[in-house]
Amino acid sequence: AQTVTQSQPEMSVQEAETVTLSCTYDTSESDYYLFWYKQPPSRQMILVIRQEAYKQQNATENRFSVNFQKAAKSFSLKISDSQLGDAAMYFCAYRYTDKLIFGTGTRLQVFP
Amino acid sequence: ETGVTQTPRHLVMGMTNKKSLKCEQHLGHNAMYWYKQSAKKPLELMFVYNFKEQTENNSVPSRFSPECPNSSHLFLHLHTLQPEDSALYLCASSQTPAAPDTQYFGPGTRLTVL
Repeated sequence: AQTVTQSQPEMSVQEAETVTLSCTYDTSESDYYLFWYKQPPSRQMILVIRQEAYKQQNATENRFSVNFQKAAKSFSLKISDSQLGDAAMYFCAYRYTDKLIFGTGTRLQVFP
Repeated sequence: ETGVTQTPRHLVMGMTNKKSLKCEQHLGHNAMYWYKQSAKKPLELMFVYNFKEQTENNSVPSRFSPECPNSSHLFLHLHTLQPEDSALYLCASSQTPAAPDTQYFGPGTRLTVL
């Protein structure tokens, strides 16, 4: 069965600094999709970035980038120039079929 | 993102009550989903609908009854719930249920069962 593991329940970063959130997953499939979602206190789950497993190039979206290591089944999220508005729960997710499988999340605190 | 809306935002109900959660998407999508988010646990997929037809029931107890009258609206009817059903219920939609299609989420309904 596919599983997603986020081993860091909480992380903190100073404003303007860089932070990396870890995610590993388990699958026997070769073609799948990975996502990072952000859930601020407003609870709206917002897509941050997505990665297609067949693409070797790491996805980038403004200050957000991923380090996708397919062989290691690792999918970390790097947030550069952290801002106060980045404070939220971050969920890593995997999708192969119609099911989106989530990790337990990492709570990110941003200090001024 | 206001493409997916959910009402009510908060709901408190007794175990003998009957209530319904509503989800509406304004994105022109064909697939809709219900998820349950409990503290310290990963989001759990409950139901998947594609073109109004249920395609996935993730072993959800029958006290949760979904309804999808059209591709834009999704309901979750609740009856005789248990306190352990208290959670955040999230609705999502995507163009199709296929893996490449990104799911967009609503703000959720915080449900408390007394």
